[in-house]
Amino acid sequence: AQKITQTQPGMFVQEKEAVTLDCTYDTSDQSYGLFWYKQPSSGEMIFLIYQGSYDEQNATEGRYSLNFQKARKSANLVISASQLGDSAMYFCAMRESSNDYKLSFGAGTTVTVRA
Amino acid sequence: DAGVTQSPTHLIKTRGQQVTLRCSPKSGHDTVSWYQQALGQGPQFIFQYYEEEERQRGNFPDRFSGHQFPNYSSELNVNALLLGDSALYLCASSLDRSGTDTQYFGPGTRLTVL
Repeated sequence: AQKITQTQPGMFVQEKEAVTLDCTYDTSDQSYGLFWYKQPSSGEMIFLIYQGSYDEQNATEGRYSLNFQKARKSANLVISASQLGDSAMYFCAMRESSNDYKLSFGAGTTVTVRA
Repeated sequence: DAGVTQSPTHLIKTRGQQVTLRCSPKSGHDTVSWYQQALGQGPQFIFQYYEEEERQRGNFPDRFSGHQFPNYSSELNVNALLLGDSALYLCASSLDRSGTDTQYFGPGTRLTVL
């Protein structure tokens, strides 16, 4: 079964507007971590934001915020005030439990920011 | 503060050959993970090294092997290359038991098998 589902293959957003990228996950563990990464065309995977399953508040990092809805098993990324440099592929990933070290990634969402 | 580095950047091999990819972790990190990313897909976990041993392995054949050195750097070896091994190979480093255990990735090595 797919651990991470990203249903939006591609999105267009106007510069300076906000965009929400969807991510749903599947796990039976109580302790897990959720991550968002950005991958520009150069290929490097850039860490953006982390949310732990026990964190009560939604994570924020600058223009990035994570809308964590535990009961719905969703961890959507919100990018505010989009910039041209935000154009990239965005991946949601999960690490389950303390004995599982791997990250499981979704298929990604391509974001294109228009001037 | 040096980030994760990988070498080489690009590599072209033919079927049946062997390849070695190298990774130096971010300063202060002790754990290295390797991922394979096929075109248009998310990365797939190959294995993770900690304390010079393979701690966890993904669903990859034994043709994929690795090593971690005392300075925490790592190598990924792939034997008997297949066309399907063509991909971007990403190395990620982290600090064990750092709380979030966030993995930081290098720029990747793009392998083309002809």
